[in-house]
Amino acid sequence: GQQVMQIPQYQHVQEGEDFTTYCNSSTTLSNIQWYKQRPGGHPVFLIQLVKSGEVKKQKRLTFQFGEAKKNSSLHITATQTTDVGTYFCAGLNAGGTSYGKLTFGQGTILTVHP
Amino acid sequence: DGGITQSPKYLFRKEGQNVTLSCEQNLNHDAMYWYRQDPGQGLRLIYYSQIVNDFQKGDIAEGYSVSREKKESFPLTVTSAQKNPTAFYLCASSETGAGWNTGELFFGEGSRLTVL
Repeated sequence: GQQVMQIPQYQHVQEGEDFTTYCNSSTTLSNIQWYKQRPGGHPVFLIQLVKSGEVKKQKRLTFQFGEAKKNSSLHITATQTTDVGTYFCAGLNAGGTSYGKLTFGQGTILTVHP
Repeated sequence: DGGITQSPKYLFRKEGQNVTLSCEQNLNHDAMYWYRQDPGQGLRLIYYSQIVNDFQKGDIAEGYSVSREKKESFPLTVTSAQKNPTAFYLCASSETGAGWNTGELFFGEGSRLTVL
């Protein structure tokens, strides 16, 4: 079945450093979503990417969707302590037996040292 | 306020007991989901429902049961057959589009179940 791998599992940065998490799918995706979960909280939707090669920005966050629609990345510029949490990607499968199924990556836990 | 309400927030259960987790939404969403979250494993789909009186198994449905008698309610029962039930359970909902999941998921605050 479809697998969505996310790396790294953990990332520790100093405040002001950049951060990137990567998401790779074993199958082609229709779209990909990103969520943030603060410690002790629940996942909150950040963005959805649909088009091949799409790049979207939200302030210090930059999201990319690969040309083959099998990978994606989230980049945070100049991290702040408010960025701490777990970042999940979730891919919607484009076809095959898992058509229409949203599969989550394992998440990247980001800690920011002030 | 519009959103998803899960209860209880914390629950303790003895081995061999069934327990039901509540999930209610007032977003008028057709689709509802139950996910299980364990450390380092992301979110795994237990059951989902696209419409009232219909639901489908997800990736880890064994030992769980659900019902969808009302649009706004999707309770999850963790049965004694679930071998490792201690986990954080998240309920979510979404609007449906062309596919059965094309929109963002709105999550409840979760229910943390501990089996003693």
